[in-house]
Amino acid sequence: SQTIHQWPATLVQPVGSPLSLECTVEGTSNPNLYWYRQAAGRGLQLLFYSVGIGQISSEVPQNLSASRPQDRQFILSSKKLLLSDSGFYLCAWSALRNTDTQYFGPGTRLTVL
Amino acid sequence: AQTVTQSQPEMSVQEAETVTLSCTYDTSESNYYLFWYKQPPSRQMILVIRQEAYKQQNATENRFSVNFQKAAKSFSLKISDSQLGDTAMYFCASNAGGTSYGKLTFGQGTILTVHP
Repeated sequence: SQTIHQWPATLVQPVGSPLSLECTVEGTSNPNLYWYRQAAGRGLQLLFYSVGIGQISSEVPQNLSASRPQDRQFILSSKKLLLSDSGFYLCAWSALRNTDTQYFGPGTRLTVL
Repeated sequence: AQTVTQSQPEMSVQEAETVTLSCTYDTSESNYYLFWYKQPPSRQMILVIRQEAYKQQNATENRFSVNFQKAAKSFSLKISDSQLGDTAMYFCASNAGGTSYGKLTFGQGTILTVHP
């Protein structure tokens, strides 16, 4: 069966510091991968998605970037965090040949002080 | 572009009763998918049920069922025999299928509280 991992689970970072959040998927190959942000416990906003290694599409202009160095690894980064980057970050995957259903990881709670 | 609207910020229900959560959507796609996700206090997003737009039959998963009204662009979730473990935030979501790489558009969520 497929499993998706995210780490760290919780992170507190000062403004201006760098960020690296990691997401990995097990039990599948060539997944589509997604990064979402959830602010204030409400709706999710799609940040990035990837359909293959090195292929990243950005949905909104922001202070963040994403990379996919391996087939089942997706990384969310920032060079300098802003207060507005605080939130709950969720990674998700879907099967390449069946892009209709996404499955989510446990999420990372990021607080920027 | 797709939009998803959940007009009920909060709902409550007594244990063992039935509750219906509302969702409307808008899309220009002919082939799309609709979902309900559950987010309990742990904040893990859990798929509850999915509906393929080209299927007229309403999806059902145990105590969870949907009322899919394609012409009205309505997609409500009915929870029967509510349990305390159903307490969570529920999100309605849509995507435009393969042409959009599965990108999901979410509603703002409905907080459901099940009372004993």
